[in-house]
Amino acid sequence: IQLTQSPSSLSASVGDRVTITCRASQGISSSLAWYQQKPGKAPKLLIYAASTLQSGVPSRFSGSASGTDFTLTISSLQPEDFATYYCQQLNSYPLTFGQGTRLEIK
Amino acid sequence: EVQLVESGGGLVQPGGSLRLSCAASEFTVSSNYMSWVRQAPGKELEWVSIIYSGGSTYYADSVKGRFTISRDNSRNTLYLQMNSLRAEDTAVYYCARGSGDYGDLNAFDIWGQGTMVTVSS
Repeated sequence: IQLTQSPSSLSASVGDRVTITCRASQGISSSLAWYQQKPGKAPKLLIYAASTLQSGVPSRFSGSASGTDFTLTISSLQPEDFATYYCQQLNSYPLTFGQGTRLEIK
Repeated sequence: EVQLVESGGGLVQPGGSLRLSCAASEFTVSSNYMSWVRQAPGKELEWVSIIYSGGSTYYADSVKGRFTISRDNSRNTLYLQMNSLRAEDTAVYYCARGSGDYGDLNAFDIWGQGTMVTVSS
């Protein structure tokens, strides 16, 4: 199953609302997770089951799904949110990740 | 603190072998999904392999037949035996714990810091 993220990169300002999309090449139910990765660091789980916020993750992060389209929304960007974001499908093997969305400061 | 610590990375020649280790703290490896994910320099994340609590294993096509995932319950440690290494296996290798409800795998909730594997002559 291929996951296509858009955009590949994004420039935004502190306080902006940002949406990242992940499209699956076939149905994956709600078996999708979102991760944040900062340079030189391991990924950090943000959202699982498409829309469930991982414990300890700020509520400005949210996820939603519509068919094979999934979105990650950050309601009000904070300085620490500038990073690369990946989606991952866990519906079937091989597990796959999207190509990533790099979120940069404008 | 719940954590994973990888070790065993390094420089290896093409065709060589390497074994990565991932030691877990504050949870039991054998009771969880455990996985390896890699990331080539400047590239996206790539899933490599997973082992279920029951012992079932799955692999990415790119490593099938060359890599073997296993665990040592007495050491609470996950392993990845990598044979017939190729230049394209060069990457940071992360181990991760899989989480889920009612037997379904939902996400990887705990990650190690990663260990670098470089395959080059």
